[in-house]
Amino acid sequence: DAGVIQSPRHEVTEMGQEVTLRCKPISGHNSLFWYRQTMMRGLELLIYFNNNVPIDDSGMPEDRFSAKMPNASFSTLKIQPSEPRDSAVYFCASSPTSGRSSYNEQFFGPGTRLTVL
Amino acid sequence: QKEVEQNSGPLSVPEGAIASLNCTYSDRGSQSFFWYRQYSGKSPELIMSIYSNGDKEDGRFTAQLNKASQYVSLLIRDSQPSDSATYLCAVNRGRYGGATNKLIFGTGTLLAVQP
Repeated sequence: DAGVIQSPRHEVTEMGQEVTLRCKPISGHNSLFWYRQTMMRGLELLIYFNNNVPIDDSGMPEDRFSAKMPNASFSTLKIQPSEPRDSAVYFCASSPTSGRSSYNEQFFGPGTRLTVL
Repeated sequence: QKEVEQNSGPLSVPEGAIASLNCTYSDRGSQSFFWYRQYSGKSPELIMSIYSNGDKEDGRFTAQLNKASQYVSLLIRDSQPSDSATYLCAVNRGRYGGATNKLIFGTGTLLAVQP
């Protein structure tokens, strides 16, 4: 079975440029999460969606960051304009929540390593 | 106080020994607990989940949960050099889906198994 798919795997860009990260969750999973990981701050939740609806975006650092989930099989995280402090690994994860019960297990994609020069 | 706390390590154990990784959490309402393994340069991989007090065993891994003490641990028996990785503890406040499936991660413990 295909796991969570992310693209690109690596992105190098210059300060001020727009960056778009993409994620395809595991088929049938209803929740999707965007995380950022750095050495200094560890793994931070940026935003998560349930049934394509944003539920909690309190982790989004500022207005330069935006995320969308137009359908159950695709999500984007956009940074505009990018800054050097945005350099990190960005992970997407999905979870098979259900109406009756959920054990909230999250499965991570391979991540996108972003470098902003 | 951090919501989920782990000793950053490194925790060094000899090959074949038992590695014991610990995690404490601050929210008494937490219901679901997870251990993830993360190799350097890779993504977190779910290895154990536990929801009830007591022990849960899966192969060489045993997760232990004590809600009264707000403590969860992971034991790795017969540690192998391939177990060398960062182990992340994650906690969820709600057992059911919907608005409560947000995980809070600790900063991780680096485990080094010496051959």
